[in-house]
Amino acid sequence: KAGVTQTPRYLIKTRGQQVTLSCSPISGHRSVSWYQQTPGQGLQFLFEYFSETQRNKGNFPGRFSGRQFSNSRSEMNVSTLELGDSALYLCASSLDSWAEAFFGQGTRLTVV
Amino acid sequence: ELKVEQNPLFLSMQEGKNYTIYCNYSTTSDRLYWYRQDPGKSLESLFVLLSNGAVKQEGRLMASLDTKARLSTLHITAAVHDLSATYFCAVVSLQNSGGSNYKLTFGKGTLLTVNP
Repeated sequence: KAGVTQTPRYLIKTRGQQVTLSCSPISGHRSVSWYQQTPGQGLQFLFEYFSETQRNKGNFPGRFSGRQFSNSRSEMNVSTLELGDSALYLCASSLDSWAEAFFGQGTRLTVV
Repeated sequence: ELKVEQNPLFLSMQEGKNYTIYCNYSTTSDRLYWYRQDPGKSLESLFVLLSNGAVKQEGRLMASLDTKARLSTLHITAAVHDLSATYFCAVVSLQNSGGSNYKLTFGKGTLLTVNP
């Protein structure tokens, strides 16, 4: 079956801009989680959506937001980009938040 | 808040040798996952450990879980170069008592380099 698809794979943005990342989960999976990965901080949890509702949120500023659609696809938005937002953003899909998570290939965001 | 500690963070080993990566966590959990990440790639699921005493093996890798000690180990037997990667453990924890809201917390990862 198809895996988790993230688009785009690479993005270069300027400070102050905003960006939207997309994630299509595995068919049948209703839980979508987002993570930020940087060399210094490792994998940090951003938020989790389940059936269009945000159930969990990590310790990130309000500039980071997300949503989930009725088909379980999810988007993540970062507004007013800062240099420190440069990272690999990973999306994970699972049946539920306790279940094994399957990761997409990630979106590499570079803020200049 | 749940803390997940992996050690070592960096591991350089020779082919053919054995070694163990440790994953300690701070609160009660009976569900733990191990992932592998190659440079520039995403995370690949390796093992799912669902109960105390669980042991899973795949090729040269074996993972175990001791929920009483809050410890999981990933043992590498007779390492080969293809095992070079970063390995993460991730612990499932309940976010609110009485609910069904869980969260995965990852360790910082162990960068394994296997030298010929």
